[in-house]
Amino acid sequence: DTEVTQTPKHLVMGMTNKKSLKCEQHMGHRAMYWYKQKAKKPPELMFVYSYEKLSINESVPSRFSPECPNSSLLNLHLHALQPEDSALYLCASSHEGAADEQFFGPGTRLTVL
Amino acid sequence: GQNIDQPTEMTATEGAIVQINCTYQTSGFNGLFWYQQHAGEAPTFLSYNVLDGLEEKGRFSSFLSRSKGYSYLLLKELQMKDSASYLCAVRDSNYQLIWGAGTKLIIKP
Repeated sequence: DTEVTQTPKHLVMGMTNKKSLKCEQHMGHRAMYWYKQKAKKPPELMFVYSYEKLSINESVPSRFSPECPNSSLLNLHLHALQPEDSALYLCASSHEGAADEQFFGPGTRLTVL
Repeated sequence: GQNIDQPTEMTATEGAIVQINCTYQTSGFNGLFWYQQHAGEAPTFLSYNVLDGLEEKGRFSSFLSRSKGYSYLLLKELQMKDSASYLCAVRDSNYQLIWGAGTKLIIKP
């Protein structure tokens, strides 16, 4: 299994909703990432988990809450989002850490109404 | 500050060759990546350079000059499916990936 999977593919939510994005990989990678990407912009790093511990939080608002239940799973919990949070949310993983190539999932297209 | 520059958009003809340039100024250097991203899809890895010189992989090649802070991605025998954005990303001294804004490549028949 050489891919990163993400669910759901599309998500529409209101500003008062609570939802979660899920990411899974079975490549034995020990680093996992959340990125946010707006149209025609490069990915922006949000969080990095290394060996299931949060190692980087790029000053992301608390309405985004990451969770790494085990080495294969990465979640992003969403609460009280704003319309400007609408974007493509990408999960990626790499073998051990930032020194390795990152493999990206297909992303979740999030729309906040 | 950290900066990566690449052209916003390029147009090329099917079957031809195109070179996409990337210049960078970062705090340290630990490798340069090229990724391809089709509209609405995730980036996919194309190449990695950490030493000076040319890395060839099929129709794609990537070149690096660390002293000049410069890289290029060369695409040969262009196909319509190569129409995509090409992202240059540099790993800095903290091993963080710094991304360029991407070059949108349009292939015409």
